[in-house]
Amino acid sequence: DTAVSQTPKYLVTQMGNDKSIKCEQNLGHDTMYWYKQDSKKFLKIMFSYNNKELIINETVPNRFSPKSPDKAHLNLHINSLELGDSAVYFCASSRAGGPTGELFFGEGSRLTVL
Amino acid sequence: DQQVKQNSPSLSVQEGRISILNCDYTNSMFDYFLWYKKYPAEGPTFLISISSIKDKNEDGRFTVFLNKSAKHLSLHIVPSQPGDSAVYFCAAAPQLTFGSGTQLTVLP
Repeated sequence: DTAVSQTPKYLVTQMGNDKSIKCEQNLGHDTMYWYKQDSKKFLKIMFSYNNKELIINETVPNRFSPKSPDKAHLNLHINSLELGDSAVYFCASSRAGGPTGELFFGEGSRLTVL
Repeated sequence: DQQVKQNSPSLSVQEGRISILNCDYTNSMFDYFLWYKKYPAEGPTFLISISSIKDKNEDGRFTVFLNKSAKHLSLHIVPSQPGDSAVYFCAAAPQLTFGSGTQLTVLP
């Protein structure tokens, strides 16, 4: 039974489109995250979110927006996709809101923008 | 400006020998460090961590060393096994900043 699951795993789309990536965790964790792994392989945090606070990495364009319908889900919406958005996006969760909590990652969603 | 750097993109070692993966950081406010392991087409999985108040943490074949004055940490795997072949990321808290990873290949 997958702890953190993301859908879709692969997404190919045209520039200018709007797309979403869904994430669900069944671990009962309080905090969820989105990371972007770019072409240089760095894993960069985009958002962290618990039921009280959304923390946004200031470098993330406002075309990206997280949506959390409940504690177990944190979806990523991307508007007006650009070529530079092509990357692997990882969702993660942690038990505590504190940053020293171990992160549990999903398998990643590879987004390709043509 | 990358605050966590893994300057070796790849490392190859023989099975049974020691693997040493290195990580440097620039932000002295980091107070907790973690290593993650990633297989292809999977998400990273937690391996081992260390608090900044310690200089060593050991878990089985894995040991992490922290040198705060040098802002350097390393992961030692001994003995290395073929199943250890993966990408290893170091990460630093509280900002949850990751390095770019080191591909470890353990040769049988």
